[in-house]
Amino acid sequence: KQEVTQIPAALSVPEGENLVLNCSFTDSAIYNLQWFRQDPGKGLTSLLLIQSSQREQTSGRLNASLDKSSGRSTLYIAASQPGDSATYLCAVNTGTASKLTFGTGTRLQVTL
Amino acid sequence: EAGVAQSPRYKIIEKRQSVAFWCNPISGHATLYWYQQILGQGPKLLIQFQNNGVVDDSQLPKDRFSAERLKGVDSTLKIQPAKLEDSAVYLCASTASGVLSYEQYFGPGTRLTVT
Repeated sequence: KQEVTQIPAALSVPEGENLVLNCSFTDSAIYNLQWFRQDPGKGLTSLLLIQSSQREQTSGRLNASLDKSSGRSTLYIAASQPGDSATYLCAVNTGTASKLTFGTGTRLQVTL
Repeated sequence: EAGVAQSPRYKIIEKRQSVAFWCNPISGHATLYWYQQILGQGPKLLIQFQNNGVVDDSQLPKDRFSAERLKGVDSTLKIQPAKLEDSAVYLCASTASGVLSYEQYFGPGTRLTVT
């Protein structure tokens, strides 16, 4: 059974800092991995999707890496802004049925 | 392109009552998912449809939850009777067919409070 863990559970940083969010999964036989953002009371917004054959994906100030063999992914946020404050969730897609297994998220607060 | 639509956005009911949620996926998306997200946790898959057929409902509490997607487009999730532990956000997502990425797109969710 796939299990996904995210560390830390919560993080507070001052504006402008670079930061790294971590995600680990127990079964390395994944199809892809997605990072999502969730604002309070809202749905999930897809940030980046990394296929199992890829090592990283970049979008603006975000960079996600994937090390499938060790069961790890990181989300790097450069020059953080208060608008980045949200919960960040990673999810792995295991098997042909495109089923996502989610971590519990990292709650990020970027302060002025 | 319109996103995934869900209604209602909020619902408050008493335990033992019934409730239904509606989802309309992105046009042309054959695969539809219902997730339950309890406060402080990640979403958990309840049921997955491919067109109007069920692919995976292994985590759906079938004694009280039911879902259908009769015409392979929009879907309804029902809870009857509701329990206090059903308080959660119910998220609907969809994926296009024939796309290798299998990227899932989520709706805004329905926040259910059972009192």
